[in-house]
Amino acid sequence: GAGVSQSPSNKVTEKGKDVELRCDPISGHTALYWYRQSLGQGLEFLIYFQGNSAPDKSGLPSDRFSAERTGGSVSTLTIQRTQQEDSAVYLCASSPQGQGKAFFGQGTRLTVV
Amino acid sequence: SQQGEEDPQALSIQEGENATMNCSYKTSINNLQWYRQNSGRGLVHLILIRSNEREKHSGRLRVTLDTSKKSSSLLITASRAADTASYFCATVDDQAGTALIFGKGTTLSVSS
Repeated sequence: GAGVSQSPSNKVTEKGKDVELRCDPISGHTALYWYRQSLGQGLEFLIYFQGNSAPDKSGLPSDRFSAERTGGSVSTLTIQRTQQEDSAVYLCASSPQGQGKAFFGQGTRLTVV
Repeated sequence: SQQGEEDPQALSIQEGENATMNCSYKTSINNLQWYRQNSGRGLVHLILIRSNEREKHSGRLRVTLDTSKKSSSLLITASRAADTASYFCATVDDQAGTALIFGKGTTLSVSS
């Protein structure tokens, strides 16, 4: 069975451009998480979806960041007007329910130049 | 936001030795989980311990949980070079609708 899939694996973008990151969770998983990890750092929580709704979006760092999830499946994280400090690995994870074991994708490495 | 704080930040040991990592957290939790990360990409789930459990084993891993001290420890016995990785604890609050929140991690280096 397929795991969590993230695309693209790597993205280089110019400062000021918008980027869209995609996450395909494991089929049937109702919970979906987005995290950001800078080099050598821990995982910074961004947003959590349960189905299509986001009970916890407290981690989004600014209004340039938004995320949506459609059909209880695919999620996209959009960063508008990218800045150099947005450079990081963006990790997505899904879980059968909200409180159990999470399965991670391999991440998208975003570089803003 | 980050919930857990792992200690130490970095740990270097020889193959065959035991490695102990600690995690402290701040809120009342439903469960605590440990994950492993190789090469800065996807994390792999190792073990989950619920708030009403005190100790759990999985192969060479032993996890303890002390809810009165809001702390957990991960023990890896008879370590191998392949155990070299970063290890993170993560907690789920006991309130519905809360996310899985990670600590900053411990980097373990096992030399042969």
